[in-house]
Amino acid sequence: SQTIHQWPATLVQPVGSPLSLECTVEGTSNPNLYWYRQAAGRGLQLLFYSVGIGQISSEVPQNLSASRPQDRQFILSSKKLLLSDSGFYLCAWRAQRNTEAFFGQGTRLTVV
Amino acid sequence: GDSVTQMEGPVTLSEEAFLTINCTYTATGYPSLFWYVQYPGEGLQLLLKATKADDKGSNKGFEATYRKETTSFHLEKGSVQVSDSAVYFCALSSYNQGEKLIFGQGTELSVKP
Repeated sequence: SQTIHQWPATLVQPVGSPLSLECTVEGTSNPNLYWYRQAAGRGLQLLFYSVGIGQISSEVPQNLSASRPQDRQFILSSKKLLLSDSGFYLCAWRAQRNTEAFFGQGTRLTVV
Repeated sequence: GDSVTQMEGPVTLSEEAFLTINCTYTATGYPSLFWYVQYPGEGLQLLLKATKADDKGSNKGFEATYRKETTSFHLEKGSVQVSDSAVYFCALSSYNQGEKLIFGQGTELSVKP
């Protein structure tokens, strides 16, 4: 069966520090991969998605970036965090278009 | 573009009450529709889905019917429990949106004993 791993679960980082969040999927090949952010009490904001290694689509211009160095690995990064980057970050995967997505457990990021 | 609209929350119910969370969508073509549930501090879990008109998705006592004529996918449960307290998201996926899954804004449900 397929599983998705996301880490760390919680993270407290100072303003201006770098960020690296990692997500890996097991049990499937060539998944579509997604990063979402959820601000407190708000809905989901799609940040990036990827349909293959090295292919990244950005939905929102900001100081975050994403990379997909391997088929089942998706990384969210920042060189310098802002207070406004605080939130709950969720990774998800889909097998193909028009199917359901499966989510990781999320990373709670607090920038102080 | 395609979009999903959910009823505003929070929704507060007593245990064993009937639940309806409204969801309407705008889409060209024939989208697939989903309901997700998010418990506090966790990721989203797929609750149920429907892939074509008149399909009924069901799981854990929750149901939703894909109504193309009213472009709706309302979530219902006959008797809610305290453990159903969570945020519920309606979502759609269509070929028009490419690789994206479009989410509603979420509806918070609180069930009191």
